[in-house]
Amino acid sequence: GAVVSQHPSWVICKSGTSVKIECRSLDFQATTMFWYRQFPKQSLMLMATSNEGSKATYEQGVEKDKFLINHASLTLSTLTVTSAHPEDSSFYICSARGQPISTEAFFGQGTRLTVV
Amino acid sequence: AQKITQTQPGMFVQEKEAVTLDCTYDTSDQSYGLFWYKQPSSGEMIFLIYQGSYDEQNATEGRYSLNFQKARKSANLVISASQLGDSAMYFCAMREGRDSSASKIIFGSGTRLSIRP
Repeated sequence: GAVVSQHPSWVICKSGTSVKIECRSLDFQATTMFWYRQFPKQSLMLMATSNEGSKATYEQGVEKDKFLINHASLTLSTLTVTSAHPEDSSFYICSARGQPISTEAFFGQGTRLTVV
Repeated sequence: AQKITQTQPGMFVQEKEAVTLDCTYDTSDQSYGLFWYKQPSSGEMIFLIYQGSYDEQNATEGRYSLNFQKARKSANLVISASQLGDSAMYFCAMREGRDSSASKIIFGSGTRLSIRP
């Protein structure tokens, strides 16, 4: 399957700072990337969908000014958690779909964010 | 309304036995896709199997098979001859609508499968 690389795999930051998470498709063009958030022992909750070159579409209840998503190229999408607080601590995982269209979405390894 | 329902929060199975993980879904679309993913403790999402709504045959991938009952809106995962390495969280997921790269995939709450030696 196609490879999606997510970086960093874990990060600890101080409350009030911003953290950027990168999601790269290594061997295909990711026209669409999805960002999920997963709390411990819970399911993946879709936060937003980003299409290359356009603004992201956020799911209901997700603050777009807090979770900034940029999808500037066909191989890179970034999620920036701005002014992070302890309640933002979670597992963030991206997935990508693109050309050629495949039935599955390919996932990054995930990023464990801890805000102290 | 919950679109994907997994009613088994946790299951214990003896090694080498078969196990069925339940999944029901809700959609008004005629075209949709159903997935199963495995998530070990490391957090990565491992694709297991896919079933399209128009596929007449149940999908199979090695030890994994998907018991697709369209009228009942169920898509149960069957793992034959379970192995210790099968211990993980398992998520059922659905893509609604005609498949395009922009179609989002939503997940059920998951089932934690534990294999006993």
